[in-house]
Amino acid sequence: DGGITQSPKYLFRKEGQNVTLSCEQNLNHDAMYWYRQDPGQGLRLIYYSQIVNDFQKGDIAEGYSVSREKKESFPLTVTSAQKNPTAFYLCASSIEVVTDSPLHFGNGTRLTVT
Amino acid sequence: AQSVTQLGSHVSVSEGALVLLRCNYSSSVPPYLFWYVQYPNQGLQLLLKYTTGATLVKGINGFEAEFKKSETSFHLTKPSAHMSDAAEYFCAVAEEGFKTIFGAGTRLFVKA
Repeated sequence: DGGITQSPKYLFRKEGQNVTLSCEQNLNHDAMYWYRQDPGQGLRLIYYSQIVNDFQKGDIAEGYSVSREKKESFPLTVTSAQKNPTAFYLCASSIEVVTDSPLHFGNGTRLTVT
Repeated sequence: AQSVTQLGSHVSVSEGALVLLRCNYSSSVPPYLFWYVQYPNQGLQLLLKYTTGATLVKGINGFEAEFKKSETSFHLTKPSAHMSDAAEYFCAVAEEGFKTIFGAGTRLFVKA
């Protein structure tokens, strides 16, 4: 079955360390996204990519970086510059960048930084 | 600028009772509207979407939503709640130009 795989499911890091979250999709979707979810705040867009080798900042990109070297993969790095990195991170994809195209989500990575 | 407001961060219903989750949006152009559901420690799944055409949209698991332009609302309903409906529900709005905005979410509790 096609879908989005995020790994790992849980991730623990010490403050000051960079950490990379994996996102792989086999849906053949052009667009991929990273969202951050905090309790009571809904989903906030970190970065998105419309095609390979291109990506754009979302609303809360500071302290994060991404790459899109392959259509299937869109890893997110949480850097030590992110002031409050503990959160639930969701990767999503859509067929193309058209507004009525729904998002398909992975099952998320819960990052805890102490 | 588009925005989404979900009224009530928590809603509690009895099993078999009507489910009503409220969503109001603001948009400068005709919007595309979505409802997603999230079960604990999982990603979001699409319940239903409104693009154009019929204003009453049917989704999965017996849910439906009605687009009311005059009220800028897109409330989600289900006639009879089931225990398995307990989850968090997100309303989302999108305009031409790609970006999707999510509401803060409403957690639905179903009492036996």
